[in-house]
Amino acid sequence: GAGVSQSPSNKVTEKGKDVELRCDPISGHTALYWYRQRLGQGLEFLIYFQGNSAPDKSGLPSDRFSAERTGESVSTLTIQRTQQEDSAVYLCASSPQGFRFTDTQYFGPGTRLTVL
Amino acid sequence: TQLLEQSPQFLSIQEGENLTVYCNSSSVFSSLQWYRQEPGEGPVLLVTVVTGGEVKKLKRLTFQFGDARKDSSLHITAAQPGDTGLYLCAGTKQRGSQGNLIFGKGTKLSVKP
Repeated sequence: GAGVSQSPSNKVTEKGKDVELRCDPISGHTALYWYRQRLGQGLEFLIYFQGNSAPDKSGLPSDRFSAERTGESVSTLTIQRTQQEDSAVYLCASSPQGFRFTDTQYFGPGTRLTVL
Repeated sequence: TQLLEQSPQFLSIQEGENLTVYCNSSSVFSSLQWYRQEPGEGPVLLVTVVTGGEVKKLKRLTFQFGDARKDSSLHITAAQPGDTGLYLCAGTKQRGSQGNLIFGKGTKLSVKP
């Protein structure tokens, strides 16, 4: 496919369990972003990868959250010891360069995480 | 504190009506973007404005960036049911990096036939 894909589309887990969310960016895009969208809220920036540079982790809400990216391809967002407050839609986006302030971010459909 | 305030939060109108939604801040942004998000999907970029006072048109949609680059508006003429969705504004404060794109909470628009 030509767009950003995310898996799973829905994830229901129990409080305290770990979850992994996957993002496949558009081929050739050097920048990748993760956002969280709580019900009725805007998007909250979590983390940003740009090429081989150190990721910008300034938006991660706690040390239970981490993310990795292999080169300029797949990224995985991991949430350890999930809490009910982690319930949200997690959106991934990629952009061609990431450093230009007018660069377009292309979003995936998101993973809806529900923590019981 | 929400850096970008969007209003109204909800808007329900009849097909053919005009509407304006607003995105306001006390901070200056180097650029501002508008997105539309439909249920179950990610946001889709509609427009980017970068110059104070800039006006951009996209068919029936008119976007304006305030002179001081602190606010923006989106005006839709003759709304159609296909315009239904969540409209999000997002701003970048720093040139050269788009890592920290700041989003508003959005305006949920419903256009009834």
